[in-house]
Amino acid sequence: EVQLLESGGDLVQPGGSLRLSCAASGFTFKTSGMAWVRQAPGKGLDWVSAINTRGDTYYADSVKGRFTISRDNSKSMLYLVMHSLRAEDTAVYYCVKTGPFYFAYWGQGSLVTVSS
Amino acid sequence: EIVMTQSPATLSVSPGERATLSCRASENISSKLAWYQQKAGQAPRLLIYDASNRATDIPARFSGSGSATEFTLTVSSLQSEDFAVYYCQQYNNWPRTFGQGTRLEIK
Repeated sequence: EVQLLESGGDLVQPGGSLRLSCAASGFTFKTSGMAWVRQAPGKGLDWVSAINTRGDTYYADSVKGRFTISRDNSKSMLYLVMHSLRAEDTAVYYCVKTGPFYFAYWGQGSLVTVSS
Repeated sequence: EIVMTQSPATLSVSPGERATLSCRASENISSKLAWYQQKAGQAPRLLIYDASNRATDIPARFSGSGSATEFTLTVSSLQSEDFAVYYCQQYNNWPRTFGQGTRLEIK
């Protein structure tokens, strides 16, 4: 069974930084593309970033230059490092396994709140 | 960026009836379209990929159709557990983009 467990969500001040982690299990992590998708409170889904099996990375324009996605295949872990956080980054962040291009499996999400 | 537009925003349907949800892409995305269901307080779940293929364990009452710019999700006979928000999403181009969602509510 595919399992994705996010952690690291927190309350952070504007301009601050945060690292989200996602522990993956139940599938061969190194052969799967991964992504982060977020959802602001009461809003729709918003793709943030993706990384393929070769380590190529992709970002939404709204986070480019501020967020960095990475993976550690030896630990089956996905990360999202977020800098210069803004109020509009407040959202539940979902770790997603792609399959190979659509979003096949979703974690339960980690809440990031950016507020002073 | 490809803009995905869903209609209607809210759809009221009685249990047992058919529901038809629409999704339009601002440019040709071939069949690179997925549908997701999200219930309150839960993560989204993949229903349909490549416009018409049901994901694992998705009941046959869910079906998808369309190509290029016009797509449809049909739920043939609504069950109580089907009332939720549905999103379409294109994966033909970067950035990946979602529609704004259709809320399917009980009439």
